[in-house]
Amino acid sequence: AQTVTQSQPEMSVQEAETVTLSCTYDTSENNYYLFWYKQPPSRQMILVIRQEAYKQQNATENRFSVNFQKAAKSFSLKISDSQLGDTAMYFCAFFGGSQGNLIFGKGTKLSVKP
Amino acid sequence: NAGVTQTPKFQVLKTGQSMTLQCAQDMNHNSMYWYRQDPGMGLRLIYYSASEGTTDKGEVPNGYNVSRLNKREFSLRLESAAPSQTSVYFCAGLGGGLSFTEAFFGQGTRLTVV
Repeated sequence: AQTVTQSQPEMSVQEAETVTLSCTYDTSENNYYLFWYKQPPSRQMILVIRQEAYKQQNATENRFSVNFQKAAKSFSLKISDSQLGDTAMYFCAFFGGSQGNLIFGKGTKLSVKP
Repeated sequence: NAGVTQTPKFQVLKTGQSMTLQCAQDMNHNSMYWYRQDPGMGLRLIYYSASEGTTDKGEVPNGYNVSRLNKREFSLRLESAAPSQTSVYFCAGLGGGLSFTEAFFGQGTRLTVV
């Protein structure tokens, strides 16, 4: 069974600085997808970025980028130039396997301070 | 397009009562999921359906049943509600349609069992 671990329950960062959120996962699959979702206080789940395991190049979306280390089963999210609107819960998720599980980590609560 | 629609948004039940949470999607998703979200626990998978007519247990299935009536609808039933089932419930869809690799979520249902 796949597992997703986020070891940082809470983090804070000053506005305009850079922060990295950690995520590790465990799987025996070779083909899978990894995601970072953002959940603001509104509870809405918003896709931040995704990475296909077969792609070696790290995904980037504007201020958000990932460091995908397949061998180490690590998938961290870097947020550059942090903004107050980045304050939210961030969830790492894994999708893959023959049964199509979509599994989430426990989340990291990020606070951006002015 | 409505996307993924959950009903109701809020519900209060007495211990022992039953209810069904409805989820419908118009995005042609093949896979659909039900999660519960509790503080500090992230999103835990209750049940999922990889395709119409199939359902499988997730991490926390006890006390719940599901039904994939057709491709659009995936309902979650609590037969005899317990206070431990107080939580926020999310339905999600993934695959098929516009995007194979992004899960779309409903707005969530806040359930309180007293």
